[in-house]
Amino acid sequence: DAKTTQPPSMDCAEGRAANLPCNHSTISGNEYVYWYRQIHSQGPQYIIHGLKNNETNEMASLIITEDRKSSTLILPHATLRDTAVYYCIVNSGGSNYKLTFGKGTLLTVNP
Amino acid sequence: GAVVSQHPSWVICKSGTSVKIECRSLDFQATTMFWYRQFPKQSLMLMATSNEGSKATYEQGVEKDKFLINHASLTLSTLTVTSAHPEDSSFYICSARDRRAGATYEQYFGPGTRLTVT
Repeated sequence: DAKTTQPPSMDCAEGRAANLPCNHSTISGNEYVYWYRQIHSQGPQYIIHGLKNNETNEMASLIITEDRKSSTLILPHATLRDTAVYYCIVNSGGSNYKLTFGKGTLLTVNP
Repeated sequence: GAVVSQHPSWVICKSGTSVKIECRSLDFQATTMFWYRQFPKQSLMLMATSNEGSKATYEQGVEKDKFLINHASLTLSTLTVTSAHPEDSSFYICSARDRRAGATYEQYFGPGTRLTVT
């Protein structure tokens, strides 16, 4: 599975958009990009995933570059409750569907 | 939808005893469940993959005789930490993959179980 690189931490003002980058330069054609987040002392929460096209759901938007070597998770109006560690994961296939978590980005939303 | 529960949410046990943690998918069927362990200020580490009706697949370095996994139904998997020691104290998290997910990887995670071994 492709390796991902994320900044260790970011800050964002409440009400503003939070843009979390992820580099996955070795991604292959059949690998999806997944985003999860983990609020302190809770289990991770699935946010969104995508293959080639940009995706949007009720939580966030995922922008994938045309060459697929990087992506950005966008929280359009960050709230204090969005403070969490955000994980970008790239996975290809295989019957076990395993996810490998890196260190992620600690997003702190400030009032 | 896609709710996963864990029980207990926290447990304290004495060294040498065994502890069982349950993971349930409440509103979907999960052919595959996963067990993770997370130490303070570290990321999640996959321990094993649990497939309904078959033996679990353990990650390298995880002792299968110490961490017993049973996946008896499409909605329940259990992790038993046998002969627990203080170094087994950790946050144990399960996740489940909806059998309808097709080729994609989204998993739904439980709230975690905090195990403290004294």
